[in-house]
Amino acid sequence: SYELTQPPSVSVSPGQTARITCSGDALPKQYAYWYQQKPGQAPVLVIYKDSERPSGIPERFSGSSSGTTVTLTISGVQAEDEADYYCQSADSSGTYPLVFGGGTKLTVL
Amino acid sequence: EVQLVQSGAEVKKPGESLKISCKGSGYSFTSYWIGWVRQMPGKGLEWMGIIYPGDSDTRYSPSFQGQVTISADKSISTAYLQWSSLKASDTAMYYCASLGEWELLGPGAFDIWGQGTMVTVSS
Repeated sequence: SYELTQPPSVSVSPGQTARITCSGDALPKQYAYWYQQKPGQAPVLVIYKDSERPSGIPERFSGSSSGTTVTLTISGVQAEDEADYYCQSADSSGTYPLVFGGGTKLTVL
Repeated sequence: EVQLVQSGAEVKKPGESLKISCKGSGYSFTSYWIGWVRQMPGKGLEWMGIIYPGDSDTRYSPSFQGQVTISADKSISTAYLQWSSLKASDTAMYYCASLGEWELLGPGAFDIWGQGTMVTVSS
């Protein structure tokens, strides 16, 4: 089955830039989405179509794509950004089903 | 306000059946795919499947095909996730979520989420 690979954890100090990667063979052909999940809460969409930001999501969140890797970048990290982040995409066979990456715990030191 | 409201927490025994619900409001329920996502305790998100309430077209993840049934009743704007025989390994939080406008967000963006339903299966 198709897999999206994320690092288990990323740590940054406040004000620094956090980069969370997600790798998958079909990412050059399929859109990627990113979700933020804080403890005890439902996930929130923070990036869609690789690099677009929904309304209400701070500008410090951005997405990019290069080959088989997509990256979520959080510039000027704040304490409130500490959360789990998940990428989501589809394999090369079609639009559905989708899969989630294993998730990355972002720790703000 | 656009929202999805899920049914309350459940405690069941292995082998029992269960159907949990997700009621949409504030938007055209029949026009957007609704999906289900599992999160086992302390673990990541798992994409289970989606349904289009307008015609009940359903797509499952291979991991969940045959293990659960996704359905919808468009007359009451409600989607369902059901099990015929629960196992302890079904213990998890289950979220429903709505896929947003394809043309705007692409085909995979869950932009509205329910609050989650905790299912506990224990003898």
